[in-house]
Amino acid sequence: EIVMTQSPATLSVSPGERATLSCRASQSVSSNLAWYQQKPGQAPRLLIYGASTRATGIPARFSGSGSGTEFTLTISSLQSEDFAVYYCQQYNNWPPLYTFGQGTKLEIK
Amino acid sequence: EVQLVESGGGLVQPGGSLRLSCAASGFTFSSYSMNWVRQAPGKGLEWVSYISSSSSTIYYADSVKGRFTISRDNAKNSLYLQMNSLRAEDTAVYYCAPGRDWFDPWGQGTLVTVSS
Repeated sequence: EIVMTQSPATLSVSPGERATLSCRASQSVSSNLAWYQQKPGQAPRLLIYGASTRATGIPARFSGSGSGTEFTLTISSLQSEDFAVYYCQQYNNWPPLYTFGQGTKLEIK
Repeated sequence: EVQLVESGGGLVQPGGSLRLSCAASGFTFSSYSMNWVRQAPGKGLEWVSYISSSSSTIYYADSVKGRFTISRDNAKNSLYLQMNSLRAEDTAVYYCAPGRDWFDPWGQGTLVTVSS
């Protein structure tokens, strides 16, 4: 099983500043990585797939990068609605054994 | 607009059974692979099961293999999860979501609580 590790567990950032979230895979997943945003009481929402492709309707301030085992989600200028929990997910295996990171909570500083 | 509405959750005793449903609309359900993903209270996300568009290919996470059964009815635009031999650790919100790789969009989820 591929283990996904996100860091930090909690990130405190002020509105308007940049946030950088990390996700590491225990073995290479190529570019087969997605990022999701989850707000309290809501279902997760897809932000990024293919490590760097924004999903439909996702603002340009969200960007993803990386390949292999190291990935980054960057939010260029934090808006109030961006404070949430973010998860990475790999989909490199077939048969599927999709695995998620444990999440990074992005909170207001 | 794509809509996914899960139902069937509730309180069940350990060892009991429950059947979850997911009603899909706003997209060609029969063309998409579907998944169940769960989230224990205050915890992260865990993929549970996958079913291909024609039901020909099915996979499960090891944690539910032999106890859960995924199925679908393309004529009714519906996805199901039959959960047997439920354990306390199966307590979670269960989401349905289309996708073979990433999951998009997600339903609002249905809460399953396994407790005596």
